[in-house]
Amino acid sequence: EVQLVESGGGLVQPGGSLRLSCENSGFTFSTYWMSWVRQAPGKGLQWLANINQDGSDKNYVDSVKGRFTISRDNAKNSLYLQMSSLRVEDTAVYYCLRDNDWFDPWGQGTLVTVSS
Amino acid sequence: QSVLTQPPSVSGAPGQRVTIACTGTSSNIGADYDVHWYQQIPGAAPRLLIYGSFNRPSGVPDRFSGSKSDTSASLAITGLQAEDEADYYCQSYDSDLSGSIFGGGTKLTVL
Repeated sequence: EVQLVESGGGLVQPGGSLRLSCENSGFTFSTYWMSWVRQAPGKGLQWLANINQDGSDKNYVDSVKGRFTISRDNAKNSLYLQMSSLRVEDTAVYYCLRDNDWFDPWGQGTLVTVSS
Repeated sequence: QSVLTQPPSVSGAPGQRVTIACTGTSSNIGADYDVHWYQQIPGAAPRLLIYGSFNRPSGVPDRFSGSKSDTSASLAITGLQAEDEADYYCQSYDSDLSGSIFGGGTKLTVL
């Protein structure tokens, strides 16, 4: 069974940093592009970033460029999102996703709250 | 404002057919990129409903179908059931943005 389990969310002050992790199992992690998608409370879905199989190609949505960094460790079957200069508007549930052009499956996500 | 445009809400009675439109531009749907659809029941994570514009993952009832034409795509739900009440999102790729994009979501109410 394919499983993606996000962790690392929590409460952080504006301007602070946080590192999200995602442990993957049930599929050959190293052969897939991976993405992060978020959903602010009561809002829609927003794709944030993706990374190719060996980590050499990364893409970001403009609103997080220069603040967020996606990375992966294929030996640990893990995906990461390093977030810095966090803003109140970054408050959301963050999902780690296998990127086949479409996203499937979806885990429960990890909640990041940016507030003073 | 989302790059892909969806109606904020649609509704239908049990047993009826509803469609949800997803309108894009020449840099996404119009550039022949596939459209994918997700269902999100309140309080739950989204789940994949349609991939590759037309295909259903295993376990998704054939009451759900996808179509695509020019710069638009549609999700059709036939034989509407109470359990279909949820938010629905379309998703595609945009070559100008070099990344995936989502529609703003459509809330389906089963009357």
